[in-house]
Amino acid sequence: TQLLEQSPQFLSIQEGENLTVYCNSSSVFSSLQWYRQEPGEGPVLLVTVVTGGEVKKLKRLTFQFGDARKDSSLHITAAQPGDTGLYLCAGASNTGNQFYFGTGTSLTVIP
Amino acid sequence: NAGVTQTPKFQVLKTGQSMTLQCAQDMNHEYMSWYRQDPGMGLRLIHYSVGAGITDQGEVPNGYNVSRSTTEDFPLRLLSAAPSQTSVYFCASSYSSGLDTGELFFGEGSRLTVL
Repeated sequence: TQLLEQSPQFLSIQEGENLTVYCNSSSVFSSLQWYRQEPGEGPVLLVTVVTGGEVKKLKRLTFQFGDARKDSSLHITAAQPGDTGLYLCAGASNTGNQFYFGTGTSLTVIP
Repeated sequence: NAGVTQTPKFQVLKTGQSMTLQCAQDMNHEYMSWYRQDPGMGLRLIHYSVGAGITDQGEVPNGYNVSRSTTEDFPLRLLSAAPSQTSVYFCASSYSSGLDTGELFFGEGSRLTVL
């Protein structure tokens, strides 16, 4: 059962462009995390959002948790080649013991 | 500063063979888990453990066994490998379980091919 759907699945943009990645679900999560994964490595945490409507900024990255805690978005401003990677959202179950990962968005930023 | 260590990094099995993927962490994390990653499907939880002696099933537990005899180690066993188990496997740990579960720290992955 895939609880989290991400869109788009693939994204190829020029350096300097802006982009938004979406993570949607019909389920409510106690918290939601975003990870970035580079080839041959495990995912690395970017941010955790907990409160519905919460917005967090990490330099050029802006993360938002939906009011109903069912969806989230990641916005990157002025993308750079170093942003290239697989972006994964992950929702925590009510007990916090299970994390359900999204389908992933593969981002390529062309210099 | 090892973090989460997985072995082996690569393995090729024949259908029906058994093997164990090893996972060890040196951060004294209570929570450990195993995921498999397949193209277009993100990561799916296989099994997890909230502490030594305690394990539970995730989304896709069939064909896999786990045990947690120590805080540091969480091996994943494939009793009779099938081609459908061809995947990249990730072990991850976190400092606690429950609603305080925080960042998942991942190993580098183990790529398994079943012929």
